[in-house]
Order: sequence, then C-alpha cells, then structure tokens
Amino acid sequence: KQEVTQIPAALSVPEGENLVLNCSFTDSAIYNLQWFRQDPGKGLTSLLLIQSSQREQTSGRLNASLDKSSGRSTLYIAASQPGDSATYLCAVRNSGGYQKVTFGIGTKLQVIP
Amino acid sequence: DTEVTQTPKHLVMGMTNKKSLKCEQHMGHRAMYWYKQKAKKPPELMFVYSYEKLSINESVPSRFSPECPNSSLLNLHLHALQPEDSALYLCASRQKIGTTDSPLHFGNGTRLTVT
Repeated sequence: KQEVTQIPAALSVPEGENLVLNCSFTDSAIYNLQWFRQDPGKGLTSLLLIQSSQREQTSGRLNASLDKSSGRSTLYIAASQPGDSATYLCAVRNSGGYQKVTFGIGTKLQVIP
Repeated sequence: DTEVTQTPKHLVMGMTNKKSLKCEQHMGHRAMYWYKQKAKKPPELMFVYSYEKLSINESVPSRFSPECPNSSLLNLHLHALQPEDSALYLCASRQKIGTTDSPLHFGNGTRLTVT
C-alpha cells in the first residue's frame, strides 16, 4: 500500500526567502507525482506534474524534483511571497491496473510580510 | 479560476433530506472523480468514472450515489446522510485514463454540513 509523507507539517518563513518542501513515498512504482496548493476551504490547484521518467519540472518560481528510486520529491519555491501562503500537497499516481492517486497530508506554508 | 465547476458551494442538509452535488467540466476530459476531504486531512477517493462508466468505487456507503449523465457532468446524490459525512466534497477530472498521463484538475468543492 502506497504511503505518502510530507515534511514539515507546517512552515513559517519571512517574505523573500527560498524554501523547500519535501514529499516521500513508499512504493517507487509510480506513473507520476503531482504538486498542488490548497487555499483554506478551496479546491486543489495543480502546480506541477512530474512523470516517472522525468527528474524535474519548473514553472515560474517553482521547481519540483523527483527521485523515484529513493521515493522522494521536493518542491522548491524561490523568493517566497505572502500570496504563496497555502497548504501544499503532493500526490502520487501508482502504476499498475488500479492507478490510484495517493495524497500526502500536506505542508501548511505561511509567508510573513 | 478553476475549469471544473461545482455547485452548490455550500450545502446544509438534514439527515432525512435528499440532495445532489453537481460537477461540470468542458475540457473534454473523459475521467471524472469524486473525493471527500475532512478538515486537515488529505482528499480521499470515493468514485472514478471513465468514459461515463463507473470504474472505481472505494467501498463508499450506499447513501452516496454517483451518476455520470454525459462526458461533461458528474453528480453525487445524497440520501440519509450522517453528521460524520460533513466534509468538503471535491470533483476532479483528467484527460483520460491510460498509460498516457495528464494532471488532475480539481473544482473548488462543495462544503457539506449534515445536521
């Protein structure tokens, strides 16, 4: 059974700081890994999708890496802004017939002006 | 703005009521999902529809009844719910199910309160 862990559970940083969020998963047989942000009481917004054959993806100030063999992914946020404050979740899509998506519990980020 | 639209945004219902949640997408996605999310928890998969056919039911109680009338619409019919069913219900869609992958797109959810 796939298990996804995100560390830290919460993070508070001053504006402008670069930061890294971590995601680890127990079963390396995955199709892809997707990072989302969720604002309070809202749905999930897709940030980046990394296919199992890829090492990283970039979008603006965001960079996500994937090391499938070690079961790890990181989300790097450069020059953080107060608008980045949200909960960040990673989700792993397993390979195989079922292809279930398993979510981590998320990291709650607060960027202080 | 999300490309997956969910209505209503908020719903309060009694345990004897019957209500429905609606989800709509016009991206041509052929896989649609219902998730349930409790406070400070990750989303939990409930149902998956592939090409308008139910392909996954995660052992969800029968008081939740999904329906996919066409490729753009997904409904979740609710009947005789319990207070513990109160949660944020999220709809998501994906371009297709198969070996070629695409990201999940989520709606903003329906906040359901069962009294």
